[in-house]
Amino acid sequence: DAGVIQSPRHEVTEMGQEVTLRCKPISGHDYLFWYRQTMMRGLELLIYFNNNVPIDDSGMPEDRFSAKMPNASFSTLKIQPSEPRDSAVYFCASRTGLLSDTQYFGPGTRLTVL
Amino acid sequence: AQSVTQLGSHVSVSEGALVLLRCNYSSSVPPYLFWYVQYPNQGLQLLLKYTSAATLVKGINGFEAEFKKSETSFHLTKPSAHMSDAAEYFCAVSEYGGSQGNLIFGKGTKLSVKP
Repeated sequence: DAGVIQSPRHEVTEMGQEVTLRCKPISGHDYLFWYRQTMMRGLELLIYFNNNVPIDDSGMPEDRFSAKMPNASFSTLKIQPSEPRDSAVYFCASRTGLLSDTQYFGPGTRLTVL
Repeated sequence: AQSVTQLGSHVSVSEGALVLLRCNYSSSVPPYLFWYVQYPNQGLQLLLKYTSAATLVKGINGFEAEFKKSETSFHLTKPSAHMSDAAEYFCAVSEYGGSQGNLIFGKGTKLSVKP
């Protein structure tokens, strides 16, 4: 298996622009997680899905952020409009339905908003 | 609610010295516990996990951790540090209650290894 795939790996955009981050989870995994990592705040959970349904989005910073999972093999995290404080590394992770199983992380998308 | 505390945001050891990274958790039920490692500019990678089998868990790269219920601890150790161990290490506990889907991560400990 190729693991969790994220694209793009790097994104540089200007303030006010829309940004879309993409994630392909490991096949057969029921859970998908979006995290954000910054020096100041560390690793933060933004939202997670179970069987394509959003379960907990309490970590989404504000209405500018939205996430979708239209099918079991694809998820997007969208920021519109983007702001410099959104600059961070965004990770996607996936897991089977077992709570004891490992969360597998993707390589991350490094977002820079100028 | 579950939580994780990692003592020490930065730990520095000499090459060949013992590595000890501390993790304490709170959970009202037997937890599942994880240690992840993050190398610079990479994602998180599982080092080892405790899932209620043996209390001493061995992981990759010579690391191990011992689950101590009485101390609510899950400290990570390695007998002899290598330069390649320099990374950030995260302890995590599985979330119970609610949707039971997530891991609760500690704030991380950055390990430096001096030659």
